[in-house]
Amino acid sequence: DAGVIQSPRHEVTEMGQEVTLRCKPISGHDYLFWYRQTMMRGLELLIYFNNNVPIDDSGMPEDRFSAKMPNASFSTLKIQPSEPRDSAVYFCASSQTSGGAASTDTQYFGPGTRLTVL
Amino acid sequence: AQTVTQSQPEMSVQEAETVTLSCTYDTSENNYYLFWYKQPPSRQMILVIRQEAYKQQNATENRFSVNFQKAAKSFSLKISDSQLGDTAMYFCAFMLNDYKLSFGAGTTVTVRA
Repeated sequence: DAGVIQSPRHEVTEMGQEVTLRCKPISGHDYLFWYRQTMMRGLELLIYFNNNVPIDDSGMPEDRFSAKMPNASFSTLKIQPSEPRDSAVYFCASSQTSGGAASTDTQYFGPGTRLTVL
Repeated sequence: AQTVTQSQPEMSVQEAETVTLSCTYDTSENNYYLFWYKQPPSRQMILVIRQEAYKQQNATENRFSVNFQKAAKSFSLKISDSQLGDTAMYFCAFMLNDYKLSFGAGTTVTVRA
């Protein structure tokens, strides 16, 4: 099975530009998570969805950040306008918490998007 | 908020030897999950091992095993017969039933040939 897919893998943009990161979760997974990794703050949960509905967005740093999940196989994280301090690696992860599988509750991560804002 | 502490920023081990990474956490809850994730230079986050707090038996996955001490809130990872491919940063993580993972700061493990 394909794992979590993220695109692009690398993004370089200039301050003030809009950035859109994309994620395709593992098929059948009903939870989707967005994380940010920086040297200063480590790995932080930004927002997560259950069955396409945002459940907790308390980790979203500012109104410049927004996330959507229009269907079970696609999610976006948008930053508008971007700032240099947004430079980080952004991970998407998914998990299956229904069905009683042995891997229930385990989050599987995508390869990440390295964002650089100049 | 739950806190996860990894007190060893870096560890070095000779190939084929054993290394143990420490992790402590703070929670007042009784039911939770603990994980170790590996992040090699490719930066992919890879699940190494997981432990449910209600299980007394320590989890093992091939050369990886944990020592889960619930009363002490300790969750250490032992890597046996270290291989060069084990070189990576290792993160300890904690999760309640709210599905929100809290990560430690990570421990960089270098396996020497």
